[in-house]
This record gives sequence, structure tokens and C-alpha cells, in this order.
Amino acid sequence: RKEVEQDPGPFNVPEGATVAFNCTYSNSASQSFFWYRQDCRKEPKLLMSVYSSGNEDGRFTAQLNRASQYISLLIRDSKLSDSATYLCVVNFNTGGFKTIFGAGTRLFVKA
Amino acid sequence: NAGVTQTPKFRVLKTGQSMTLLCAQDMNHEYMYWYRQDPGMGLRLIHYSVGEGTTAKGEVPDGYNVSRLKKQNFLLGLESAAPSQTSVYFCASSPLGNEQFFGPGTRLTVL
Repeated sequence: RKEVEQDPGPFNVPEGATVAFNCTYSNSASQSFFWYRQDCRKEPKLLMSVYSSGNEDGRFTAQLNRASQYISLLIRDSKLSDSATYLCVVNFNTGGFKTIFGAGTRLFVKA
Repeated sequence: NAGVTQTPKFRVLKTGQSMTLLCAQDMNHEYMYWYRQDPGMGLRLIHYSVGEGTTAKGEVPDGYNVSRLKKQNFLLGLESAAPSQTSVYFCASSPLGNEQFFGPGTRLTVL
């Protein structure tokens, strides 16, 4: 089992739709969690951190469920510019610092 | 403020050749990382550094060496390139192991 798993998609949605991505992780000692966005042939960029209480940034909402070991990203009112790959990232420190990136979920928003 | 820069942007090597990738950051970050990204596999950590003069192995360190002689620079070396090292290489930095800032990447092809 991969340490961090994401549905690769692609998710094809119309503009204005709501779309949700999940990411599961296997190490219960995981300490911090993030969502990054990566455009085609570009570097990843931080979209948002994920906090235990959940957090929102405009149209984006991130949730963490430690008991079930997953994080989620909800995008409301999708825009064409949201088309990208979304990477889930988990950091943990068990005898050494470790960062694991999920393989990413591709999103296409259509007009 | 250039952020994270990488040189070169593209490189083609023959099997057995050596090369060094340079990463530089001007944000005074302590942590620096080297990743490789292959289709369908997401980003994988090669080596990282938690401060000047320190380095540590990541998930896929074999065939690579690194050095962090100056805080702002992190070098990745390939001593004897192999076709399996064809990939996109990303460097990143972070202040304390949380949000990572990525460079634009180096596309390496080994023939």
C-alpha cells in the first residue's frame, strides 16, 4: 500500500460545479498536511495547509480526519483556471523527517 | 527576490556521464530538498538538508549525491547517469519543514 494515495482522476466537471478530492495516508504518526496545485509542466505551489479543525480559503475548503487517516479538498464554483493537478502532501517525523507527496488528482474544468 | 532557482533548465546526457544540478534560494530557508517527478508516480524525495553542512537521504537516494556547503545552495550530483534517471528534478526550500517553495524544475534526459 502506498503511504499517500489519491484518486488519479481525471475529474471532468463543468464550470460552477463543486468537486471534492480525497487523499488517504497510512502512517498514523503523520504530523502536517497540505494541498499543492501543479499546472502542466510547472512546479508545485502551495494551495493550502490542512488543519485538524478544517479550514477554508475562498472557494476552497480542506478537512482532516485523523481517525480515518484522510484529508479532503473541496472546490466550490469551479473556474476554468482551477484546471490543474492537485497534490496531497503529508509530513511526518518518526526517526527522521519525511515528506510524502501523493501522485496527484487531475482536474479539468470545462466551459 | 528570485525565490528558488535551478540551473540548468534542460539537459541531455549520455549513459555514464556525470553532471551537477544547482539549486539556489534567497529566502534564508533552513531546509532544502531535491525531488524527482515521473509520470504517474508523483514527487519522490531524493535527498534533503536541514541546514548548512547537513544532508540526509530521502526515499530514492541511490545514484545521487548532494552537498550543502552554503545555506543558499543545494547541489545534486549524478556521478554516472543511467536512463532510469531520466526525469524532471525539482528543488524546494522551506523555513522549518512546512510549506515548501519549489524551483521551476530541470528536465533531464539520459540516453
